[in-house]
Amino acid sequence: QLQLQESGPGLVKPSESLSLTCTVSGGSMSSSSYRWGWIRQSPGKGLEWIGDVYNSGSAYYDPSLKSRVTISVDTSKNHFSLTFNSVTAADTAVYYCATLRIVPAGLLDYWGQGTLVSVSS
Amino acid sequence: DIQMTQSPSILSASVGDRVTITCRASQSINSWLAWYHQKPGKAPKLLIQKASSLETGVPSRFSGSGSGTEFTLTISSLQPDDFAIYYCQQYKSPPWTFGQGTTVEIK
Repeated sequence: QLQLQESGPGLVKPSESLSLTCTVSGGSMSSSSYRWGWIRQSPGKGLEWIGDVYNSGSAYYDPSLKSRVTISVDTSKNHFSLTFNSVTAADTAVYYCATLRIVPAGLLDYWGQGTLVSVSS
Repeated sequence: DIQMTQSPSILSASVGDRVTITCRASQSINSWLAWYHQKPGKAPKLLIQKASSLETGVPSRFSGSGSGTEFTLTISSLQPDDFAIYYCQQYKSPPWTFGQGTTVEIK
């Protein structure tokens, strides 16, 4: 069974970039049939899918966030990452990494415990 | 984007009660609907997929039904472990979207 763990700073200044990493254990990413995704949860917007990436590096993003987000994968290190540019207070949320099934697409199976990221000066 | 709307937002119930949560989609999603529950401080957990298929290990008191735009999650006899927030999610087409959640609280 896969375990996922988010890591990264808990505080980011407005207009700067937010970078998080999700380390996968309990199995090899390169031999897993999942997409690797990020979801966030804030009191104002509830659960929000940010995007996900396949082992090939092919990524899909929520159109409303696409201009500010990059999700990348490094199967050699068994981790994947989220970079979010030009953050504002509205990006304050708990960020989760998760696995998404490929068939059918979009179902979320394994989740990390979540990490709170606050955007404040 | 497909909008998902749950009702009620808060549901107060007692142990042993039968409870039903409704989820409506802004357009047809066939049966591509999942239900999750979330306990305080934890990540959501997948309970039901394809509107009515229970995940392995999920108690049989949970059931899901519906297709198209209207769906329900029913807990036949509420247990203490079931007090949580429940979310529906559509996976018909990206962006994958969630309902705003239904809090099941102790009456």
